[in-house]
Amino acid sequence: NSKVIQTPRYLVKGQGQKAKMRCIPEKGHPVVFWYQQNKNNEFKFLINFQNQEVLQQIDMTEKRFSAECPSNSPCSLEIQSSEAGDSALYLCASSLLLGGGNTGQLYFGEGSKLTVL
Amino acid sequence: GDSVTQTEGLVTLTEGLPVMLNCTYQTIYSNPFLFWYVQHLNESPRLLLKSFTDNKRTEHQGFHATLHKSSSSFHLQKSSAQLSDSALYYCALPSGSFNKLTFGAGTRLAVCP
Repeated sequence: NSKVIQTPRYLVKGQGQKAKMRCIPEKGHPVVFWYQQNKNNEFKFLINFQNQEVLQQIDMTEKRFSAECPSNSPCSLEIQSSEAGDSALYLCASSLLLGGGNTGQLYFGEGSKLTVL
Repeated sequence: GDSVTQTEGLVTLTEGLPVMLNCTYQTIYSNPFLFWYVQHLNESPRLLLKSFTDNKRTEHQGFHATLHKSSSSFHLQKSSAQLSDSALYYCALPSGSFNKLTFGAGTRLAVCP
């Protein structure tokens, strides 16, 4: 059973609407990742955090998404203006280790499935 | 840049036959970790096995893989497929300065009775 908790499991939005997803990482994991899994089941890295700081994000995330991992609150990923192409499963994952080409295991949540009508 | 190639999009097997899913990679790191993740239908991806050591066989839950740095490969194998092995399988490696995992496109394994 996944210890990374994602909410909501499903969300349906109209084009142009905001879409917000939340993630509680596994306890004690300082590193959080967001991935988008499209209808072809391909993974796209979106952003990662170490504690509250953004480590790396792709251009799309920087331009169209708002993401944060505040202390003592769930992490969140919000699409500011949803587009049809954003329909996908958004997976949050957390990890213990980071650095030097060696990474610890990623623990994934069950995902938030976004449908943009 | 770093990349992972999984050549088969779909592998269909009869129960009891051997499984081999291909994975090759490119990376700037001389000593990378390589991972196999498995995702069953409507479930989250979970780690199946990982390796760091060249030419050493790694096993877990009946699956095994050997990292070969000379050929940049990390193929996943199992001697006898089971119906419950039907799932998506992803090969992955850390990439970039902050070690996000770069995943291959995935291979769907369908095991039939």
